[in-house]
Amino acid sequence: GAGVSQSPSNKVTEKGKDVELRCDPISGHTALYWYRQSLGQGLEFLIYFQGNSAPDKSGLPSDRFSAERTGGSVSTLTIQRTQQEDSAVYLCASSLGQGGMTQYFGPGTRLLVL
Amino acid sequence: AQSVTQLGSHVSVSEGALVLLRCNYSSSVPPYLFWYVQYPNQGLQLLLKYTSAATLVKGINGFEAEFKKSETSFHLTKPSAHMSDAAEYFCAVSETQGGSEKLVFGKGTKLTVNP
Repeated sequence: GAGVSQSPSNKVTEKGKDVELRCDPISGHTALYWYRQSLGQGLEFLIYFQGNSAPDKSGLPSDRFSAERTGGSVSTLTIQRTQQEDSAVYLCASSLGQGGMTQYFGPGTRLLVL
Repeated sequence: AQSVTQLGSHVSVSEGALVLLRCNYSSSVPPYLFWYVQYPNQGLQLLLKYTSAATLVKGINGFEAEFKKSETSFHLTKPSAHMSDAAEYFCAVSETQGGSEKLVFGKGTKLTVNP
C-alpha cells in the first residue's frame, strides 16, 4: 500500500519568507508526527496529532512554527519568517495510534533557507 | 524524560564481518525500542522493534537486536556485513507522557562497509 508522502521534496527559500510543508499519512493511521533532522541537533520531535485530541506542540522551537491536521488526515507544517537555522530535513511519520505503535516515516522535505 | 545513547558516531567494517551497533537507553518503565535505518536522501525505515514479547528481536535484512534490561542496552547486530548495509542507523525509545507519544532518538551511527 501507499506509504507516507511529503511535498515538496526540496524547498529553497529566502530568509524571512513563509513556507508550508505537506504530509499525507498512511490511510487509517490516526496518529501523525513531525520531526526535524539537522546536523547539529539530530532528530527532534516537533508535534504530535492523535485523532481529534488537542495536538502536543511541545517540540515546536518557536512561535514561528505551527501545524494543522485537516479532517484527521493531511497535515501542513508552516514556518513563518524563516531563518537560516530553520534549514533542515523535516520528516513526517504516522502510526495506528499510541502504545509503541510503529511510526512509518515519509521521505522528508529538505528545506534550505538562504 | 527518556534518552538514548548510541556509542560511536561512525563504525567501519569489512564486507562479511560482524556488524555491532551499540545502543543504551534510559527509561523508568518497560520501553518500546526501535532501530531505524536511513539511506542517503531517504526517510527512516524500520529495521526492528522490541515490545517485550521476546528479548531477541529479528528484523529485516538479517539484522537482530537483543534487549538486556540489566544493561539497559539494545545493541544491533548482523553476522555478515554487505555493501548495501552502508547507511545511518538510529536507535529510538518511545516516550508516552500526558496523552502524547513521541520517539526519542539517539544521535545515529553511520556504518561504512569496506570491500
